[in-house]
Amino acid sequence: SQKIEQNSEALNIQEGKTATLTCNYTNYSPAYLQWYRQDPGRGPVFLLLIRENEKEKRKERLKVTFDTTLKQSLFHITASQPADSATYLCALSTGGGNKLTFGTGTQLKVEL
Amino acid sequence: DTAVSQTPKYLVTQMGNDKSIKCEQNLGHDTMYWYKQDSKKFLKIMFSYNNKELIINETVPNRFSPKSPDKAHLNLHINSLELGDSAVYFCASSQAGKNWAGNTIYFGEGSWLTVV
Repeated sequence: SQKIEQNSEALNIQEGKTATLTCNYTNYSPAYLQWYRQDPGRGPVFLLLIRENEKEKRKERLKVTFDTTLKQSLFHITASQPADSATYLCALSTGGGNKLTFGTGTQLKVEL
Repeated sequence: DTAVSQTPKYLVTQMGNDKSIKCEQNLGHDTMYWYKQDSKKFLKIMFSYNNKELIINETVPNRFSPKSPDKAHLNLHINSLELGDSAVYFCASSQAGKNWAGNTIYFGEGSWLTVV
């Protein structure tokens, strides 16, 4: 069966450290993978997109890797801040019409 | 200006009622979506319209009927509401063509539906 799994438990890290979130998928061959951030009571907000032929993408303190052999994406936030606390969702392009299938999400908490 | 706006934000209703959620986007996008987020925060696509044409229709009960009067609007009507319909419903849009992939999706703030 098709699955998209993210860190199942909440991730707590100290301010200033690097947070690493994992997205693993099975039985998909996505051409694109996206990461979104969702704050409580709000809609998801786009962060980064990476294509299947790209190994790594960066945007300010964010870095995404995409390994199509391992079927895994890693999402890194360097020099994390309490304001980075949120739920992070990975999403795979799984069909036409820009169909995105979302992972289960990882709740990140950055502590002082 | 809100890019994707949906109303109402909160809706509490009794089982068996019929309700609608309205959505409008001012981004000039061609594609709009309805997603459902359940109590475990799992976000799942329900429907997608491209220029008023239905292009994604996931396995959703017939009680859910989307309607797109124009490409800037996508409404969701739900008949005979059940307890299990309680969830957050997100409207979204993207600059995607019918067969495109990899476009950013812009989400609304969500409509919290509680069926009692």
